[in-house]
This record gives sequence, C-alpha cells and structure tokens, in this order.
Amino acid sequence: GAVVSQHPSRVICKSGTSVKIECRSLDFQATTMFWYRQFPKQSLMLMATSNEGSKATYEQGVEKDKFLINHASLTLSTLTVTSAHPEDSSFYICSASAGRTDTQYFGPGTRLTVL
Amino acid sequence: GDSVTQMEGPVTLSEEAFLTINCTYTATGYPSLFWYVQYPGEGLQLLLKATKADDKGSNKGFEATYRKETTSFHLEKGSVQVSDSAVYFCALSKGNRDDKIIFGKGTRLHILP
Repeated sequence: GAVVSQHPSRVICKSGTSVKIECRSLDFQATTMFWYRQFPKQSLMLMATSNEGSKATYEQGVEKDKFLINHASLTLSTLTVTSAHPEDSSFYICSASAGRTDTQYFGPGTRLTVL
Repeated sequence: GDSVTQMEGPVTLSEEAFLTINCTYTATGYPSLFWYVQYPGEGLQLLLKATKADDKGSNKGFEATYRKETTSFHLEKGSVQVSDSAVYFCALSKGNRDDKIIFGKGTRLHILP
C-alpha cells in the first residue's frame, strides 16, 4: 500500500523555539494532507486539512499562527509549531490522500516534547 | 456533535481466543465506518470499512457489521494471534466535502502466546 513518512519521529525542544515536522508521501501524489494531534489515551484530533498549493483549513480552536502548515508540493507537507510551549507536547500524525474521497494513508507520527 | 465511543483497553487475550472490541457512534446522516490498526512503531492502517447499513467489512480475519439500529460497528475475530497485538481505532467519516475522520480513543490489544 501507499507509504507516508514523517520526520523527525521524535523531537525535544526548549520552550520558545520553533519545530518543523515533515510529512511525505513516498509513492503517490497527495493532493490532500491532514494533520492530527493525539494526547495520551485520547483520540486523534484533526488540526487542519491542506491541499497542495493552497492555504490550509484549520479546525475550530486550532491557532493558525501557532501551527503553520505548508503544502508546497504533491509529496510534502510541513507543520511548524512556532514558539512552542510545554502544553504543545503531543503526538502529531499526518495523513495523505490522492483525492478528497480517497483513503487516507497515515504516517507513523512525531512525538514532540517541549521542555 | 458526531462522536465515536469504543471500549477502553488494554484488552489482554490468549492466542486463539475470540475477540470483540465494541464501538458505537453518534452521527447525523449516513456516515461511513472504519476500523484502523496501529502496530507498534508504525502509522495507522485501514483495517476494514463499511459504507452503509448492514454492510460487513472484513480483512485479515477481522469483521465488523454496520448496525444502524444500534449505531454500532463492533470488531470481531474468531481466533486471534500474537501478531494481532496493536492499538485499534474505530472511526467514522461523513464523506462530506471535508472528508473529516472522527476517531475513537483507541483500544490496545495484547495477545499472549
């Protein structure tokens, strides 16, 4: 099946710094990518949906200036957590699909720890 | 709003035991229902899905039937293996313009040899 990678798998940073997470579709062109956040023992919560070449659509309650999403190509989307704080520590997961109604393929996730 | 509730884990079973993981949903309209599985260190994978009432999704020996009358989509397997140890997520999608997937909290399954 289709493969989605994320990098890094784990990152630890100091409070106030920015962190960039990459999501790549390795063997297909992803017209739509999704970013989720998962707290321990909680559901995956959709943060935003991005289509290649256009601005991301953020879910209610997600700060677009804090979580910057770029989907500049059909195989790469990035999530930048700006001025990270300890409460941003979480597991971030991306998924990608070839079209709006296609199956979503998930990356392995990135664990962010903000000290 | 729309939501998915699944049984809390961890669930621990012996190999070859019968598995049921309960899942119920709340949604308006006619959602599609999914089970995803996450093996250790890997991303979520679609295990099976059903798109309309009374549909049965099946894959790798797992089955789930879309029951609209009870708003349920319970996951079952007749004989589990150690390799089935993973986290299982029940989910729904309205199939609307956003294609948003709403997940349950996940159920961790441990299979003992």
